[in-house]
Amino acid sequence: GAVVSQHPSWVICKSGTSVKIECRSLDFQATTMFWYRQFPKQSLMLMATSNEGSKATYEQGVEKDKFLINHASLTLSTLTVTSAHPEDSSFYICSARDGGGPSYNEQFFGPGTRLTVL
Amino acid sequence: DAKTTQPTSMDCAEGRAANLPCNHSTISGNEYVYWYRQIHSQGPQYIIHGLKNNETNEMASLIITEDRKSSTLILPHATLRDTAVYYCIVRLTPSYTGTASKLTFGTGTRLQVTL
Repeated sequence: GAVVSQHPSWVICKSGTSVKIECRSLDFQATTMFWYRQFPKQSLMLMATSNEGSKATYEQGVEKDKFLINHASLTLSTLTVTSAHPEDSSFYICSARDGGGPSYNEQFFGPGTRLTVL
Repeated sequence: DAKTTQPTSMDCAEGRAANLPCNHSTISGNEYVYWYRQIHSQGPQYIIHGLKNNETNEMASLIITEDRKSSTLILPHATLRDTAVYYCIVRLTPSYTGTASKLTFGTGTRLQVTL
C-alpha cells in the first residue's frame, strides 16, 4: 500500500517549451501533495505544498507563474514547468500525504521525474 | 522545524551494523524524529520515526536519547542495497495539516556499504 507514481520518469525538452509532470497516489487519498526539486549532489528542496481543491503554497524564491501546480483531485497533482530553460533541468519529486486509513497523515514519495532542458 | 546535524558520509562493511547519528538539540516537545533514505536517482523512502521511545521495525531501529537532543538509526545487518543517503528530519506531529506537515531535508549522511 501507500504507493505514489510519477509520470513521466524522465523527459527531455527544448528550451521554451512547457512540461507537465503528474503525481498520483495509487491506493490512498492524498489531501496534501508536495513538490520537491533536487539538483545533482544536493538535497531535496521543497517547492510548493498543494491541498486538494485549493491554490498551492509556494516556498520563498519559487516562481508560481513558472511552476504551475494543479491538485484537482484527491489522487492527482500536476506540476507544469512553463517556458522551461536549461537551468530548470533537475530531478522533480512529489510526495503525497495520506488523508485517511492506517497511514493517516504520513507522506509517501514518488520515484521522481528527471527533466532535461536542451 | 528544528535543524538536524548529520555526518556527511560513513562507510560500513556488509553484514555489520550501520549506526547513523543525528543531532537535533533544538527539538521541541511536539516534534518527531523521522528517518528517510534516498537511493541514487530514486524518491526518498520512509524508514522509521519516533517521538521519545526507541522504535524498531523490519528495516531499522531508532534510538532516541532521553533528552531527545540526538538519535541514532541502526541498520542491524547492512547490505550493499543499503547504500544510500540517509536523512534525519525533525518535524511537527503528523496531525498538523498543510504546510505545517512539510518535511525539510538537510544534507543527510551518505552511507557506503562495502564488501
